[in-house]
Amino acid sequence: KQEVTQIPAALSVPEGENLVLNCSFTDSAIYNLQWFRQDPGKGLTSLLLIQSSQREQTSGRLNASLDKSSGRSTLYIAASQPGDSATYLCAVRQASGGYNKLIFGAGTRLAVHP
Amino acid sequence: GAGVSQSPSNKVTEKGKDVELRCDPISGHTALYWYRQSLGQGLEFLIYFQGNSAPDKSGLPSDRFSAERTGGSVSTLTIQRTQQEDSAVYLCASSLFSGGSYNEQFFGPGTRLTVL
Repeated sequence: KQEVTQIPAALSVPEGENLVLNCSFTDSAIYNLQWFRQDPGKGLTSLLLIQSSQREQTSGRLNASLDKSSGRSTLYIAASQPGDSATYLCAVRQASGGYNKLIFGAGTRLAVHP
Repeated sequence: GAGVSQSPSNKVTEKGKDVELRCDPISGHTALYWYRQSLGQGLEFLIYFQGNSAPDKSGLPSDRFSAERTGGSVSTLTIQRTQQEDSAVYLCASSLFSGGSYNEQFFGPGTRLTVL
């Protein structure tokens, strides 16, 4: 059974720091991996989607990497800003036996203070 | 519309009542998903619709839960005889499904259900 773990559970940093959020998954047979952010009381905003054949994706100050064989993905946030404060979720889509759904980690709650 | 929309945004009901939650996916998206987000449980998959195929209902927690998708667009999630443990945020997502490939899922703002 696929399990997704995110470390750390919470993070508080001063503005301007570069950050790394970690996501690990137990079954490496994934179709793709998606990173989301969730603001309090809101839905999920898709940040990056990495297909299983890709190693990384970049969007602005965000860079996500995928090492499928080791079951890991990292989300790198450069020059963090207070507006980056949110919960960040990673989710994997299985390559078989349940590929219709995303399996989510519990999230990393990020607070960036001025 | 520009994104996935859901209604109502908040729903408070009494234990034992039935509720209906609505989702309008992004126009042209053939795949539609329902998830539930509750305290201590994280986000869990409920049901998936793809075109005219039979839905994947593997995530529905009990037979009190059902969903339909009419005309390949709008979907309604129905919870019968609600229980307090049904209290959660119900999220809908949609995506393109083209050439046999699963694409990025886009989520709606959710419906917060409170069962008293």
